[in-house]
Amino acid sequence: QTVVTQEPSLSVSPGGTVTLTCGLSSGSVSTTHYPSWYQQTPGQAPRTLIYSTNTRSSGVPDRFSGSILGSKAALTIAGAQADDESDYYCALYMGRGTYVFGTGTKVTVL
Amino acid sequence: QVQLVQSGAEVKKPGASVKISCKASGYTFTSLHMHWVRQAPGQGLEWMGQISPSGGKTNYAQKFQGRVRMTRDMSTSTDYMELSSLRSEDTAMYYCGRDSGTYSPDVWGQGTLVTVSS
Repeated sequence: QTVVTQEPSLSVSPGGTVTLTCGLSSGSVSTTHYPSWYQQTPGQAPRTLIYSTNTRSSGVPDRFSGSILGSKAALTIAGAQADDESDYYCALYMGRGTYVFGTGTKVTVL
Repeated sequence: QVQLVQSGAEVKKPGASVKISCKASGYTFTSLHMHWVRQAPGQGLEWMGQISPSGGKTNYAQKFQGRVRMTRDMSTSTDYMELSSLRSEDTAMYYCGRDSGTYSPDVWGQGTLVTVSS
């Protein structure tokens, strides 16, 4: 059973930078996993931020960026704002038409 | 504009089945995949499966194999997700999400709450 791991929680100061990561229980994340990132606030449907590692979805501010850092996918929020306080999930394509979501990271802006 | 509108909340007894709909508009329905994702109360997102543009191919998460069925009605641009043998752990918000060929949902439905309770 593949597990996709994320930091349970991170905090960032307003205007600061925070990097969230998305790793595999076994092996490294690469571009062939087509990493994607989602933001979710309580009671709302997810919002797609990043797909295919580093492409921003329509309307997403450029303070959100995606990359591969070492063996993990990463989402960086630069110049954090109060309304960036949310839960963030990554997802990976595992081949044969299947996907797995990460465990999620709660980001606090304080 | 692109929109996915899901059916309303459902309350089911253990052992029953539920069938949720996701009606698409604003794009060529027959060109794109649709994912189904669920979220139990206070928990994370969980990928359940996807259906191909033609509706002829489905891929399901191993956890749901044998219990889930995803179908597509081209005439009404509507996707369906049916989950059977419901148990309390299936209580969750269920979302559909369109995939524009990006290996990820880019537009999401509003969600359908399914409550399983005796």
